[in-house]
Amino acid sequence: KAGVTQTPRYLIKTRGQQVTLSCSPISGHRSVSWYQQTPGQGLQFLFEYFSETQRNKGNFPGRFSGRQFSNSRSEMNVSTLELGDSALYLCASSLAVDSSTDTQYFGPGTRLTVL
Amino acid sequence: GIQVEQSPPDLILQEGANSTLRCNFSDSVNNLQWFHQNPWGQLINLFYIPSGTKQNGRLSATTVATERYSLLYISSSQTTDSGVYFCAARGLTGGGNKLTFGTGTQLKVEL
Repeated sequence: KAGVTQTPRYLIKTRGQQVTLSCSPISGHRSVSWYQQTPGQGLQFLFEYFSETQRNKGNFPGRFSGRQFSNSRSEMNVSTLELGDSALYLCASSLAVDSSTDTQYFGPGTRLTVL
Repeated sequence: GIQVEQSPPDLILQEGANSTLRCNFSDSVNNLQWFHQNPWGQLINLFYIPSGTKQNGRLSATTVATERYSLLYISSSQTTDSGVYFCAARGLTGGGNKLTFGTGTQLKVEL
């Protein structure tokens, strides 16, 4: 099976712009989670989607949003970009047979730089 | 929410040496995973181990859930083992599939 894929892999934006990142989960996986990794804050949970519904949300401002499509692919959007949004954005998928015990598998990430 | 702490933060080994990485968590868990992050940022699954012991080649892990810690053992280390090792856990309370990550152990294996 193909692993989790994320596009684009690298992105450069300027302050005030918006950006959309895409994640395709492993075939058959129904849960998609997003994480932000920065040198200062480490790996932090953004949100999780299951069956096109946001099931869990981390402590991020409303500029960060996401959605999931019927084929389980997910997108996240960041509006009005700030310098501090520069980070590696990681997507993870899991089967979600039992959401609390599923192994999560991560994609290669999208490295976003905000100038 | 659950807190996850890892030690040591940094570790330098000579090739062939053994090491033990530790992960402490503040609450009972139903999901605990160990990951290796390679230089390109990819998080590679090592173990799903909310309790018990598992082995995979030169790596093994043990989680003692009642005492709220997990250990990752690396034997006969190789330069390719270099990178950051993360422990991540999900507490029993709360919904969904949120993993809380520790701050990682940066491992460097030298010739």
